[in-house]
Amino acid sequence: DIVMTQSPDSLAVSLGERATINCKSSHSVLYSSNNKNFLAWYQQKPGQPPKLLIYWASTRASGVPDRFSGSGSGTDFTLTISSLQAEDVAVYYCQQYYDTPVTFGQGTKVEIK
Amino acid sequence: QVQLVQSGAEVKNPGASVKVSCKTSGYMFINYHISWVRQAPGQGLEWMGWISGYSGNTNYAPKFQGRVTMTIDTSTSTLDLRSLRSDDTAVYYCARGESSGRGLWFNPWGQGTLVTVSS
Repeated sequence: DIVMTQSPDSLAVSLGERATINCKSSHSVLYSSNNKNFLAWYQQKPGQPPKLLIYWASTRASGVPDRFSGSGSGTDFTLTISSLQAEDVAVYYCQQYYDTPVTFGQGTKVEIK
Repeated sequence: QVQLVQSGAEVKNPGASVKVSCKTSGYMFINYHISWVRQAPGQGLEWMGWISGYSGNTNYAPKFQGRVTMTIDTSTSTLDLRSLRSDDTAVYYCARGESSGRGLWFNPWGQGTLVTVSS
């Protein structure tokens, strides 16, 4: 199985400041045939189901604000919230879909400082 | 709009089975997969498997192989989990799977169904 490891487990950021979450995979999720990274990011607010933010490592899902961006390739990826808003308080998960079983990171909790 | 609406909460005894349904609307069911993901209390996300909305072919996570069955009927998918244990207590989500040609990403998700296993 591909193990996904996120860091940090939690972080507190001031409103309007940048939040950065890292995700590392135990195996490259870059598929050479199409040069795409098979990685997604999700946001989960308390009591709600996860919501897709990013797929193909850097493509924002429909309706996702542009303060959310994804970057990285191979085994190392980053989700950046450029200017944290109060409504961004949530747990964020990365997910690889390069191989089955599909696997998720353990989650990163983002709070307001 | 695309919607996935799941059945209600369940309480089961250890050793029993549970069925959770996921009724979809707002898109062409046969063009996507349905995946099931669970989340134990206070824990992360665990993928259980998926089923093709077109063919009914399934791909189960090895951990659940032999204990889980996913089915489809018209625009509804059903998860059947057998031989329940206390550590199966979790919120079970269905999600529409967008195919990458290898694996899937999930968008959107159902509201979740809490399954509690307790004697």
